Amino acid sequence: AQTVTQSQPEMSVQEAETVTLSCTYDTSESDYYLFWYKQPPSRQMILVIRQEAYKQQNATENRFSVNFQKAAKSFSLKISDSQLGDAAMYFCAYRGYGGSQGNLIFGKGTKLSVKP
Amino acid sequence: DAGVTQSPTHLIKTRGQQVTLRCSPKSGHDTVSWYQQALGQGPQFIFQYYEEEERQRGNFPDRFSGHQFPNYSSELNVNALLLGDSALYLCASSLASVFYEQYFGPGTRLTVT
Repeated sequence: AQTVTQSQPEMSVQEAETVTLSCTYDTSESDYYLFWYKQPPSRQMILVIRQEAYKQQNATENRFSVNFQKAAKSFSLKISDSQLGDAAMYFCAYRGYGGSQGNLIFGKGTKLSVKP
Repeated sequence: DAGVTQSPTHLIKTRGQQVTLRCSPKSGHDTVSWYQQALGQGPQFIFQYYEEEERQRGNFPDRFSGHQFPNYSSELNVNALLLGDSALYLCASSLASVFYEQYFGPGTRLTVT
């Protein structure tokens, strides 16, 4: 069974600085998707960034980028120029490839605080 | 374009009761997934509905059941509520042909006393 591990329960960053959130996963599949979701106090889970395992290039979305190391089964999220609005729970998630692999497998999350 | 909506926002039930939670998917989406998020944990997959049938199920007892209607909206039913069922229940919708993109609703907070 696939598992997702986030080893940092809490992280803190100064506004305008850069922070990296860690995630490791375990799978025997070769094709899959990895995601980072943000969950602010409003509870709504928001997709931050997606990475397809078959792509060697790391995904980027504005201030958010990932470091995807397939062999090491590592998928970290880097947030540059941190803003107060980035404060939230961040969840790393895995999904198998294919329409029938419907479920996301989440880690336990990392609570990110941003200091002004 | 309306996103995923869920109702109610909050509800409180007593042990042994039954509850029904509702979800309307994002416009154009045909697949609905349900997740349970206990306090301080990541969401856990309950089941997924597509074409009005349960397509995949997570490790949840039969007390958890669901339904999808012809308009793609969905219900989650939980019977014989236990204290441990207290959680945030999240609904996510997607389009079967774009299966890797799931959009989440704001959730329903269920408290069982």
